[in-house]
Amino acid sequence: SQQGEEDPQALSIQEGENATMNCSYKTSINNLQWYRQNSGRGLVHLILIRSNEREKHSGRLRVTLDTSKKSSSLLITASRAADTASYFCATGGGNKLTFGTGTQLKVEL
Amino acid sequence: ETGVTQTPRHLVMGMTNKKSLKCEQHLGHNAMYWYKQSAKKPLELMFVYNFKEQTENNSVPSRFSPECPNSSHLFLHLHTLQPEDSALYLCASSQPRASGTEAFFGQGTRLTVV
Repeated sequence: SQQGEEDPQALSIQEGENATMNCSYKTSINNLQWYRQNSGRGLVHLILIRSNEREKHSGRLRVTLDTSKKSSSLLITASRAADTASYFCATGGGNKLTFGTGTQLKVEL
Repeated sequence: ETGVTQTPRHLVMGMTNKKSLKCEQHLGHNAMYWYKQSAKKPLELMFVYNFKEQTENNSVPSRFSPECPNSSHLFLHLHTLQPEDSALYLCASSQPRASGTEAFFGQGTRLTVV
């Protein structure tokens, strides 16, 4: 069953702007991960946030987690055309990751 | 380059053909996975192998047959597929930790069934 659900489904912004994507999930989690996928290629891990963490940073990425609302957000600051990709949240314990449908981000010059 | 290699990258096969997808990782991981990605749908977990043993079969039709001869290699044998099986098939690997860990994905095999 689908656990994570991203919002919006698609997002188009100008280079230099910030992009925010949201993920909602249904059951309790130990951690939540965000992945990126360039068109027709494999997924690349971006960041993992544990259930006892509220915020985590990695370069231009900022992830927040609100376990009371069962939601997470991914913020990409100062976006670049190269950030154009699909972004997925994933949840699951052990080695059984469940992904949502993703947010398609397009960053235009 | 994630360290997970999938071959072939593209495959076109007829419904009566038999073909195999191959996945290889030398990251020292002991868990390997097959995912199916169809347009407009979430990634679907198909199979999970831990230490060469199949631990998850997500109600996958028998026309898909996985094989894991060792912790570094994973195959997906295909036979008598249907056009709706056309999709991107992704292999991934990780360490099987209960607390959750990063998965490393291959570039995928784009399968078209004609």
